[in-house]
Formats: sequence, C-alpha cells, structure tokens
Amino acid sequence: RKEVEQDPGPFNVPEGATVAFNCTYSNSASQSFFWYRQDCRKEPKLLMSVYSSGNEDGRFTAQLNRASQYISLLIRDSKLSDSATYLCVVNMPYSSASKIIFGSGTRLSIRP
Amino acid sequence: DTGVSQDPRHKITKRGQNVTFRCDPISEHNRLYWYRQTLGQGPEFLTYFQNEAQLEKSRLLSDRFSAERPKGSFSTLEIQRTEQGDSAMYLCASSPPTQYAHEAFFGQGTRLTVV
Repeated sequence: RKEVEQDPGPFNVPEGATVAFNCTYSNSASQSFFWYRQDCRKEPKLLMSVYSSGNEDGRFTAQLNRASQYISLLIRDSKLSDSATYLCVVNMPYSSASKIIFGSGTRLSIRP
Repeated sequence: DTGVSQDPRHKITKRGQNVTFRCDPISEHNRLYWYRQTLGQGPEFLTYFQNEAQLEKSRLLSDRFSAERPKGSFSTLEIQRTEQGDSAMYLCASSPPTQYAHEAFFGQGTRLTVV
C-alpha cells in the first residue's frame, strides 16, 4: 500500500462548480498534512496546511479525518486558474527520520 | 532571491556519463530534501538531510546515486553511469528547524534528460 494515495483524476469540471479531492495516508502517527498545487512544468507550491479542526482559505476548505486517515480539499466556485495538479502531502513524526511524502497528485481541469 | 535555488535548470547527458546537481536551500533552513518527479507522477522521496546528516535514503536511490551536504548548507546529488530511466525532474526542497513539521519550499528543479 502506498504511504499516500490520491485519485489521479483528471477531474474536468465547469467553471463555478464545486469539486472535492480526498487523500488517504497509511501511517497513523503522521502529524502534519498539506495540500500543494503544481502547475505544468513548475515546482510544487504550498496551497494550504490541514489542521485537525479543519481550515478555510477563501474558496478552499481542507479537512482532516484522523480516525479514517484521510484529508480532503474542497474548492468552491472554481475558476479557470484553478486548473492544476493538487498534491496531498504528509509529514512523518518529528521523532523519526522525518520525511515529507507526496501523493501522486490529482489533476484538475476547469472548463469555461 | 532568497528562495531555494537549483543548478543547473536543465541537463542533457549521454547514457553512461556522470552528472552532479546542486541545491542551495533557504539560509536558515536545516532540513533539505531531494525528490524525483516523472511526468504524471507526484514527487518521489529520494533522501533527506538534517543539517549535514543524511537521515534517510529511499530504496529508489540505487548505488549509482549519492547525495551530500558537507557543511549543512548546500547539497549535491550525483548520479553515476546515467541510464535513460534516470530522465526526470530532480527537485530540492528545504524546511526550517521547527519542532513540528513545517511546509517545504521547493526549488525550480533540475530537468535531466539522458540520451
């Protein structure tokens, strides 16, 4: 089983739609979670951190479910500029050889 | 520019040649990561440094790959006897010395093409 798994997509949705991605992780001791965005042929950039209580940043909402070991990203009122690959990222506990593990990414395409 | 920088940005090499990439992390960051990314895949973890110590090395990293961070600042990734399967984007990232995990900041990557 992969340490971090995502649906690769692609998700092809109309502008203005709401779209949600899920990501599952295998290590229950994982402590930190992030969503990154990667545009074609660019480096990944942090979109938002994911907190236990859930967090919202404008049109984006991230949630963490520790019991089921998944995190989610919800994008409301999607824009053409949201087209990108969204990477789920999990950080292993600090006491171990802490490493940041990426999912394979979910491709999102917003159509006019 | 005070971000993570990688050099070179692009490298084309013949199969069997050795290549070396450099990464300069953000100056106060003590953690440094190397990843490899192929088309359509997320970044795959290769190795991780905390200061000058290499704490973990992925099984993906064969004996032909070696990474160093001699003074806990910049890092190099060397690939010996390159193979066509080594063609990929090699990404470096750094993160600060916080107790709890912090986001990683990425360089723009080195795109390697082995012909």
